[in-house]
Amino acid sequence: AQRVTQPEKLLSVFKGAPVELKCNYSYSGSPELFWYVQYSRQRLQLLLRHISRESIKGFTADLNKGETSFHLKKPFAQEEDSAMYYCALSDSFNDYKLSFGAGTTVTVRA
Amino acid sequence: DTGVSQDPRHKITKRGQNVTFRCDPISEHNRLYWYRQTLGQGPEFLTYFQNEAQLEKSRLLSDRFSAERPKGSFSTLEIQRTEQGDSAMYLCASSNGGWVKTQYFGPGTRLLVL
Repeated sequence: AQRVTQPEKLLSVFKGAPVELKCNYSYSGSPELFWYVQYSRQRLQLLLRHISRESIKGFTADLNKGETSFHLKKPFAQEEDSAMYYCALSDSFNDYKLSFGAGTTVTVRA
Repeated sequence: DTGVSQDPRHKITKRGQNVTFRCDPISEHNRLYWYRQTLGQGPEFLTYFQNEAQLEKSRLLSDRFSAERPKGSFSTLEIQRTEQGDSAMYLCASSNGGWVKTQYFGPGTRLLVL
């Protein structure tokens, strides 16, 4: 079974401070990891995926297979980063099913 | 194309009633997914269609739940004899069959069973 754990329900940081959202997973197969974001009154949308190795809106995430982690980081948080963030996992071969963590609510204060 | 749409956006029903939700995916997306999200949790996978074929159903999808995608375009999710535990946000997503299978989500249908 695949499981995604986001240990922090709430995260509050000041504008300009670094922010890191933790995500750990357990899966025996070949995982593909994602971060989804949901801004207030908007639908869930993909932020980034590990295979793309991109930086989106200043966010990066590195897949660490040894620690089974996929933490999301941004060096300087902005107020517009306030949102709900979900880490998700799918199998590389059976990639139709996303398993989501419970989510972390990020609040960036001025 | 404005993305995945879902109808209705909100539904209040009494226990024991049947409800049906509709999802219109992004055109040309051949994959369609249903998820359920309860308060404080992330979305949970319910079922998946490739074109009109329903290829997997989660154990969460009891016999009271049925989903269809008759022509490989829109999909419906029906819940029969609703229970209070069915109260949740029901999300639909779609993707294409290419290498980058990003799932695009709809706004969801919020169901409240009284």
